[in-house]
This record gives sequence, C-alpha cells and structure tokens, in this order.
Amino acid sequence: QVHLVQSGAEVKEPGASVKVSCKTSGYTFTSYSISWVRQTPGQGLQWMGWSSSYNSDANYEESLQGRVTMTTDPSTSTAFMELRNLRSDDTAFYYCVRDPRDYGSQFDFWGQGTLVTVSS
Amino acid sequence: AIQMTQSPSSLSASVGDRVTISCRASQGIRNALGWYQQQPGKAPKLLIYAASSLQSGVPSRFSGSGSGTDFTLTISSLQPEDFATYYCLQDYDFPLTFGGGTKVEIK
Repeated sequence: QVHLVQSGAEVKEPGASVKVSCKTSGYTFTSYSISWVRQTPGQGLQWMGWSSSYNSDANYEESLQGRVTMTTDPSTSTAFMELRNLRSDDTAFYYCVRDPRDYGSQFDFWGQGTLVTVSS
Repeated sequence: AIQMTQSPSSLSASVGDRVTISCRASQGIRNALGWYQQQPGKAPKLLIYAASSLQSGVPSRFSGSGSGTDFTLTISSLQPEDFATYYCLQDYDFPLTFGGGTKVEIK
C-alpha cells in the first residue's frame, strides 16, 4: 500500500522558517515526482510546486518563488518542503502528494497534512 | 496563470439526486483536468483524471466529461457519503490551478 506520512504540526513566529517532511512507502520513490499543496483553514486549495524525486528539477508557484524550496532524498524515500520568511497568511495545512502526471494521471495519494501556524 | 472557475460554489441536494458540477478554464486545457472530493478534516481524494477517467476504487456513480475549456463532474445518484466539497484541478500548464470548490450539502 502506498503511504505518505508527514511530520507533525508546527507553530512559528513571523519571519521564521519551517521544513515539512513527507516519508513515502509502498512504491518506487524515484518513479514519481512529489507536489505540495496547501489549504488555508476553511479555504480552497493552492498548488505550491513540484519536485523531481531523482534529480534537482523543481517548479514553484510564482507567488512563493524565493521563499520555498522543495527537495527529495531518494535514499530515504522522503520529500521535504521548506518555506522561509513566514507570514501570517502562510498559516495553512500543507499536503505532500504523489504526482503521477508523467503517466497521464493526477494526484493519487496524499499525505495526512501538516498544520503550520504562523503567529507571534 | 490559467483560471479555473467552478459553479455553483454550493448546492443542496437529496440522497438519490443527480448532481452536476461545472468547471471552466480561462483557456483551452485539452483534457488535462481532474476532480477531487474532500471530506471535512481530511485530505482531498482523486475521483477523475484526464477529464473522464475514473480513478481506481472510485464508485461508478461518479463520471467526468468535457475538453477544452468546459468540464463537468456528475454524480448519478447522490449517496450520504458524497456530501463533501469538490474541486477541479488543471495540469495542462504551470502553475497548476484549482477551482474554488463546490460544497454539496444535504437538502
């Protein structure tokens, strides 16, 4: 069975950084990319970006450029999303998703979500 | 960025009703569209990809249609577990963009 298990909730002050991990299992990690999606409480979904699972290729949503970095570690089948210079409007649930768009599909497996709260 | 406009933003329906949700893209996206269901407090779940392909394990009462700019998700006979929020997502071009969501509530 495919599983994506994310790290726990975080509380950060404005200006700080957060790094969320996403440990995957049940499939060949390097066969699928990883995307990240966030959802502010009670609001809709926003795609944040995509990262390759076997090289350094990545593509980020323009509004996050310069503040976000997505990486993967094939040796541990884990993906990471770091967001810097946090603001109050970054308070949201952050999801990692398995990204099979290379195979014609869409986000078929999701992590459980990590709540990041930005507050002074 | 491609804008995805969903309608309606909410609807009320009864068990057994046929429900349709629309998603319109601001430019042509061929069939690069998926539909997701999100229950409160849970991660979204993929229902349909490539506009009309049913994801494995999803009940056949869900179907998708459309291409280009206009797409539809249909639930043929609404079940109690279908009351949720539904989102479309285009993956034709970066940035990938979601629709604003449609909340399906019990009448």
